[in-house]
Amino acid sequence: QVQLQQSGPGLVKPSQTLSLTCDISGDSVSNNAVGWDWVRQSPSRGLEWLGTTYYRSKWYTAYATSVKGRITINPDTSKNQFSLQLKSVTPEDTAVYYCARGFRWSFDYWGQGALVTVSS
Amino acid sequence: ETVLTQSPGTLSLSPGETATLSCRASQSLASTYLAWYQQKPGQAPRLLIYGASNRATGIPDRFSGSGSGTDFTLTITRLQPEDFAVYYCQQCDTSFLFSFGQGTKLEI
Repeated sequence: QVQLQQSGPGLVKPSQTLSLTCDISGDSVSNNAVGWDWVRQSPSRGLEWLGTTYYRSKWYTAYATSVKGRITINPDTSKNQFSLQLKSVTPEDTAVYYCARGFRWSFDYWGQGALVTVSS
Repeated sequence: ETVLTQSPGTLSLSPGETATLSCRASQSLASTYLAWYQQKPGQAPRLLIYGASNRATGIPDRFSGSGSGTDFTLTITRLQPEDFAVYYCQQCDTSFLFSFGQGTKLEI
């Protein structure tokens, strides 16, 4: 059974960098049949896909247009996890952040979610 | 960028009835790239349907998906009390960018 466990601070100051990590159990971050994604949810923006990393003989990433230029998603094969970094955050980035596994163009396993508040 | 519009915003039904939820895409997409989720308060979304009509593991056959092109439907028959939740559709476009609909709240 695949399980995703998220960790990271719940409060980030404006203009700083939001960092979250997702630990994977029951699968490998290097699985070449799936992707590893970040999704967030807020009352104003609903569910919003942020980006993905996946391995297909080499590592690839893809990012949503709305956060491109501010976002980095990295795999860590030694720890079997992947991470999200979102730079220059504003209060608009306040949301519940989820990590998820992408499979067959959908998301079949999700982390527990983490509320991240951007506030001074 | 493909926009998904769900209707109705809220659907009020009783246990035992059938729910029909709609998801319309702003441009045609292959059925492979359309999924449905259920979300209850305080929980992560749960995958119900992938590829427009394929039930995910462990999903009861009361849930079914259909549609093609720009119009997709999630049907829930014999509504159970635990089915009352918010439902989202999701798509992946040709640029490998994902997006979600705004959701339909199914309430008693």
